[in-house]
Amino acid sequence: NAGVTQTPKFRVLKTGQSMTLLCAQDMNHEYMYWYRQDPGMGLRLIHYSVGEGTTAKGEVPDGYNVSRLKKQNFLLGLESAAPSQTSVYFCASSHARFLAGVINEQFFGPGTRLTVL
Amino acid sequence: EDQVTQSPEALRLQEGESSSLNCSYTVSGLRGLFWYRQDPGKGPEFLFTLYSAGEEKEKERLKATLTKKESFLHITAPKPEDSATYLCAVGRGSTLGRLYFGRGTQLTVWP
Repeated sequence: NAGVTQTPKFRVLKTGQSMTLLCAQDMNHEYMYWYRQDPGMGLRLIHYSVGEGTTAKGEVPDGYNVSRLKKQNFLLGLESAAPSQTSVYFCASSHARFLAGVINEQFFGPGTRLTVL
Repeated sequence: EDQVTQSPEALRLQEGESSSLNCSYTVSGLRGLFWYRQDPGKGPEFLFTLYSAGEEKEKERLKATLTKKESFLHITAPKPEDSATYLCAVGRGSTLGRLYFGRGTQLTVWP
């Protein structure tokens, strides 16, 4: 049971290049999330998905796109990378709400450290 | 608008010196308050969930409590291995599983 995995672990891009970050979970979670973490800013939600084939914008979605073609995978794409996208990216997943009024804990992957030059 | 505020930003303790971390929140319709631990270069690790005022949970040297406006993470007789950044997050009733994170408290425990 690997939990949440992310690839790659590290990446350096030049401004304008594109890339895709892959997140996979083996816990059969319905919800998946992409965050970025910057010094002094905390974790900020980029996009999230509540099920296969669905995506929604979070707090800081500009410059990113996502897709969830399979329940276990959530992809984050950068079409034209900018230095402002230098950050550590975390994927997380959680079960959907089974009881009214309850939000379940999220489980995080190890992160991808991205540098855009 | 900050919905989750953690204090202090950084805390240095001597081994065995107990203390508390604070997480205050202003969301309406709280549907869970979550504590995570994050070690350098790693993803956040889930510690506790609290759902209602008065609730308490414990794990080894850590104890989390919740009131209607804030949560405390009490650390009793900390050890150097407790050094980490502790994150607080809240879930609101109008969201689909989304959590809103504070900026964290960086705890250092020295021998």
